[in-house]
Amino acid sequence: EDQVTQSPEALRLQEGESSSLNCSYTVSGLRGLFWYRQDPGKGPEFLFTLYSAGEEKEKERLKATLTKKESFLHITAPKPEDSATYLCAVGSGANSKLTFGKGITLSVRP
Amino acid sequence: NAGVTQTPKFQVLKTGQSMTLQCAQDMNHEYMSWYRQDPGMGLRLIHYSVGAGITDQGEVPNGYNVSRSTTEDFPLRLLSAAPSQTSVYFCASSHRQGTYEQYFGPGTRLTVT
Repeated sequence: EDQVTQSPEALRLQEGESSSLNCSYTVSGLRGLFWYRQDPGKGPEFLFTLYSAGEEKEKERLKATLTKKESFLHITAPKPEDSATYLCAVGSGANSKLTFGKGITLSVRP
Repeated sequence: NAGVTQTPKFQVLKTGQSMTLQCAQDMNHEYMSWYRQDPGMGLRLIHYSVGAGITDQGEVPNGYNVSRSTTEDFPLRLLSAAPSQTSVYFCASSHRQGTYEQYFGPGTRLTVT
């Protein structure tokens, strides 16, 4: 059974204070690891897909990295508008099945 | 291009009532799915469809039915609502089976009393 664990559950940062969010996973036949952002009262919004260990993707202040057991979402000099819940998911099998972690709630104070 | 749309946004049901949550996408995506999101838990897959006329069960299918008569629409039916079905429901779609970049709708918040 595929499993995804995200840590910490919640993270409070000061504006400009860089940090990392962790996603560890166990999966048979990884088809990809996915990061989503979810704002309160809205649906998840796709951020990144990582397919193989060593791969990195960047978007503005966010950088996602992947190893064989975990992924990190690095946030450099965060701003209050980066406050959201960040979801990690793994894809496996041929039917596009995604298994999600519980999410990390990030709060950035001005 | 509206993406994935869901109606209603909010719904309150009494135990035993039935209803249908609507989901539509205008991106000509083959793959569509329904998730529920509960506090302290990750998104859990209820049912999915890889194309018109083809549906299958996900992780938590009990109490829910789906059908896919067109590429665009994928309604979720609650046959006899129970308090345990109180949740936020999200519909998602992706281009085709085997692709995992999924686009989510805005969600339906359902309360069963």
